[in-house]
Amino acid sequence: GENVEQHPSTLSVQEGDSAVIKCTYSDSASNYFPWYKQELGKRPQLIIDIRSNVGEKKDQRIAVTLNKTAKHFSLHITETQPEDSAVYFCAASENTGNQFYFGTGTSLTVIP
Amino acid sequence: KAGVTQTPRYLIKTRGQQVTLSCSPISGHRSVSWYQQTPGQGLQFLFEYFSETQRNKGNFPGRFSGRQFSNSRSEMNVSTLELGDSALYLCASRGGPGTDTQYFGPGTRLTVL
Repeated sequence: GENVEQHPSTLSVQEGDSAVIKCTYSDSASNYFPWYKQELGKRPQLIIDIRSNVGEKKDQRIAVTLNKTAKHFSLHITETQPEDSAVYFCAASENTGNQFYFGTGTSLTVIP
Repeated sequence: KAGVTQTPRYLIKTRGQQVTLSCSPISGHRSVSWYQQTPGQGLQFLFEYFSETQRNKGNFPGRFSGRQFSNSRSEMNVSTLELGDSALYLCASRGGPGTDTQYFGPGTRLTVL
């Protein structure tokens, strides 16, 4: 089955700096890669996703890049703000399958 | 549309008891997945149901079971509770095969004493 690894497990940045979280996957059949943000005590919320036919996707301060050859994808947050502090999860799934495989999460702290 | 709902939100049980958790998906969604979330372990996949059929199952013992009803509502049951079952149980719904986006419920916090 698929194996998703996520690094780093914790990340602290100064407000205004950029944050990068990286994930690798093992199954070349995976073709959908969402990122979720989970604030303390709340449910995971989808913040951005990318499909394998696209190399990069951007939404305001958030971007995701995908390298299918190397089987890794990354989340980039620019101009970080304290409200970006949360746990971020990456995931991978096969479009025609039904199971999502999640990374173990990255706890991001933005220091004011 | 109303989001995914889960009941109850909090549960306290003792070892050996059993528990049933409920999940109501977004209206029109036919797929419901269940996850166990514990500190340091991330989201561990339990199982997924689509149109009342279990389509995938994670690597959990048989004490964990589930079902889905014709209205897509799903229940998860854990029998003979162990201390290690203490966790946040999340369900997520989506429109079905080929519909990728998964929406999570608020979770049920289970504490086993």
